[in-house]
Amino acid sequence: EVQLVDSGGDLVQPGGSLRLSCEASGFSFNNAWMSWVRQAPGKGLEWVGRITSKTEGATTDYAAPVKGRFTISRDDSKNTVYLQMNSLKTEDTATYYCTRYFDSDGYPTYFDFWGLGTLVTVSS
Amino acid sequence: DIVMTQSPDSLAVSLGERATINCKSSQSLLYGGNNKDYLAWYQQRPGQPPKLLIYWASTRESGVPDRFSGSGSGTHFTLTISSLQAEDVAVYYCHQYYTTPRTFGQGTKVEIK
Repeated sequence: EVQLVDSGGDLVQPGGSLRLSCEASGFSFNNAWMSWVRQAPGKGLEWVGRITSKTEGATTDYAAPVKGRFTISRDDSKNTVYLQMNSLKTEDTATYYCTRYFDSDGYPTYFDFWGLGTLVTVSS
Repeated sequence: DIVMTQSPDSLAVSLGERATINCKSSQSLLYGGNNKDYLAWYQQRPGQPPKLLIYWASTRESGVPDRFSGSGSGTHFTLTISSLQAEDVAVYYCHQYYTTPRTFGQGTKVEIK
């Protein structure tokens, strides 16, 4: 059974930093592309960024609002993907979901599994 | 970026009646190389993460009841719930995976009338 367990959310002051973790199980993690999607309170879904598999260079890509502040990394030995968030702003307040891309013939497509989410609150 | 626009923002439907949600993309999601539309639908019940319902615009995910169906191609798509059940109360999102950044519609809230 595929499981994604997000953790690390907390209350942090503007300008602060936080690292989220997502531990995966039930599938071949080292072959998977992983992503983070966030949802501000009462709002819709916003893609944050993604990381490719290590065999594809563990390359990352980010949404414009977080580029230069957020960094996604992975540790395949721990089946874990991370989201390092720096220079946090009040508008980063959201529930952050770890998601897995479904691989369709080598192309990353839709998000087939989601974690339960972890809440990040940025406030003074 | 591809902009996804859903309509309506909310709708109230009687139990057993049909619910229809529309989604429009700012550019075509149809890839000519495989003739597939890169469009998915998700259901998000209160307090839960999104759940995949439909992908490739019309393929139902395993375990999803057959009262859920997806249709459309190119830039116009529809999610239909043929006979609304109480457990279908949720927000529904369309999502394009044609290109990065991945984008979502703003969501449509479905309630019981």
